[in-house]
Amino acid sequence: DAKTTQPTSMDCAEGRAANLPCNHSTISGNEYVYWYRQIHSQGPQYIIHGLKNNETNEMASLIITEDRKSSTLILPHATLRDTAVYYCIRRRDSGGSNYKLTFGKGTLLTVNP
Amino acid sequence: DADVTQTPRNRITKTGKRIMLECSQTKGHDRMYWYRQDPGLGLQLIYYSFDVKDINKGEISDGYSVSRQAQAKFSLSLESAIPNQTALYFCATSDRSGGKLPVSYNEQFFGPGTRLTVL
Repeated sequence: DAKTTQPTSMDCAEGRAANLPCNHSTISGNEYVYWYRQIHSQGPQYIIHGLKNNETNEMASLIITEDRKSSTLILPHATLRDTAVYYCIRRRDSGGSNYKLTFGKGTLLTVNP
Repeated sequence: DADVTQTPRNRITKTGKRIMLECSQTKGHDRMYWYRQDPGLGLQLIYYSFDVKDINKGEISDGYSVSRQAQAKFSLSLESAIPNQTALYFCATSDRSGGKLPVSYNEQFFGPGTRLTVL
């Protein structure tokens, strides 16, 4: 069972960078790291994903360590609307069967004014 | 995301009743999914469908059935609801391919959820 380890909760001040860590020490070479977030009782929302290179988009940056055993999601200027549960997910790139997103408990990020 | 809609948004029912939750999407995606979420937990996959003729069980399919009536519609049924099926239910869609692979390859787009309470 593909597992990741994330802190249960984190706090961040509004306007500051939020750095959310994820441990995936048993990740295999063909597994991507995906990040989703879920604002209270809404459907999860895709944020970003990567394999081994760092990635950036309009929402966030993803930093993956060279050994790929851990990664960090960075929200550069957190706002109150970024308060949500953030899920770090491993997904295998295995052709037609790569449907599966296994959601753990995630990290509750609370952005404080 | 208005592209994926779920009805009803809230439902309270009694043990033993048959319930159907419906999901529709205008994204033109081939793949559709049903998840459930219990309080304080992550999402668990119930069923998924790669196209109209392809239905597959997920992690927790017991007590549930699905119907893919069209590419855009995927319904989840509880034949005889029981209290431990009280949960938040999400429908999701994804594209088989397209765009810059794998950027959109498995990005799943979720509906707003249906809160189901079984008394």
